[in-house]
Amino acid sequence: GENVEQHPSTLSVQEGDSAVIKCTYSDSASNYFPWYKQELGKGPQLIIDIRSNVGEKKDQRIAVTLNKTAKHFSLHITETQPEDSAVYFCAAILPGGGRRALTFGSGTRLQVQP
Amino acid sequence: SAVISQKPSRDICQRGTSLTIQCQVDSQVTMMFWYRQQPGQSLTLIATANQGSEATYESGFVIDKFPISRPNLTFSTLTVSNMSPEDSSIYLCSVLVSGGSYGYTFGSGTRLTVV
Repeated sequence: GENVEQHPSTLSVQEGDSAVIKCTYSDSASNYFPWYKQELGKGPQLIIDIRSNVGEKKDQRIAVTLNKTAKHFSLHITETQPEDSAVYFCAAILPGGGRRALTFGSGTRLQVQP
Repeated sequence: SAVISQKPSRDICQRGTSLTIQCQVDSQVTMMFWYRQQPGQSLTLIATANQGSEATYESGFVIDKFPISRPNLTFSTLTVSNMSPEDSSIYLCSVLVSGGSYGYTFGSGTRLTVV
């Protein structure tokens, strides 16, 4: 099955700085890579995703890059704000039938210092 | 994306008892999943809830402990049986909406404390 590793486990940045979270996956057949933000007491919220046929995707201050050769993908948050403070999870999924659930990374606790 | 209503949002239960968690979706969905999130940890898949048939459980999770029902395309329940303090976790329902999109949506979770 798929295995996803995520780094760092905690990240503290100053407001306005950029934050980068990295994930690697084990199965080269994985074709979908979402990122979730989880605030305290809430369920994970999808913030951006990327498919394997795309190298980069951007949505305002958030971007995701994918390197299929190296089997890693990264979340980039620019101009961070205190409300970006949360736990972020990357995930991956294999295509086709059978198991259709996401495999999650271990999470990154982002703290944006005002 | 689908809107998920998960109930209860939290509960404190006595050890040895059972709790049933409900997941209601506002539209028909292709797939429904149940995850466990232990304190400060990532999400671990418990099982895939199959409509009209037995759920598909992940390694380490068994039907006797976590019976799941999915009577239709918009509703599922997860029961945590014979609870112990080790079952204290957040339990999350997730759905995959029909139509080919890979958008997986999560409920707000049920925070369970077993005393």
